[in-house]
Amino acid sequence: ETGVTQSPTHLIKTRGQQVTLRCSSQSGHNTVSWYQQALGQGPQFIFQYYREEENGRGNFPPRFSGLQFPNYSSELNVNALELDDSALYLCASSSTRGGYEQYFGPGTRLTVT
Amino acid sequence: AQTVTQSQPEMSVQEAETVTLSCTYDTSESDYYLFWYKQPPSRQMILVIRQEAYKQQNATENRFSVNFQKAAKSFSLKISDSQLGDAAMYFCAYRLPTGANSKLTFGKGITLSVRP
Repeated sequence: ETGVTQSPTHLIKTRGQQVTLRCSSQSGHNTVSWYQQALGQGPQFIFQYYREEENGRGNFPPRFSGLQFPNYSSELNVNALELDDSALYLCASSSTRGGYEQYFGPGTRLTVT
Repeated sequence: AQTVTQSQPEMSVQEAETVTLSCTYDTSESDYYLFWYKQPPSRQMILVIRQEAYKQQNATENRFSVNFQKAAKSFSLKISDSQLGDAAMYFCAYRLPTGANSKLTFGKGITLSVRP
């Protein structure tokens, strides 16, 4: 069974740029959630995707957007990057048949300069 | 809105000893799940233990056990026979059972160090 994978592992962007982060869900999982974890803080929920539709959103501006593909993998896009967007971005996959238990990937460390 | 509070930013324990990490939460729901996650320096968030609110019995997983006090909205984690590999950040988390509300709400975390 393949676990949740994320790419890239880390990247550095400049303020104002756009970034795309990718997540492959665990085999058999149909739901993907994204979280932002600032340094020394707990993860904050960004949004969740189920059947290619956004299925819940946290307190994040519209410049944070996402996609889910037919194979249940997902992308997180952030436009007009700000310094405060520097964080670890975690993806978690779950299954509606598996009680929504969330399994996390290793994260992508984004640094905005 | 649900909130999770971890008021201890850091704790330290001697190897082989027992340590308890505290967590309180606030919710108006009666059915929910509570979790403890471990995040080592590798960043991978690992599920340690899960508690269903409707179960009165406290969950146990090997050296890890919880003290769930529903009326007090308290959910502490006890680690027995602490090992060096237990050193990590520990997060308490809450979620509702199903659907669009299945997002996890995390506390700020506590850094646990284990002294050899």
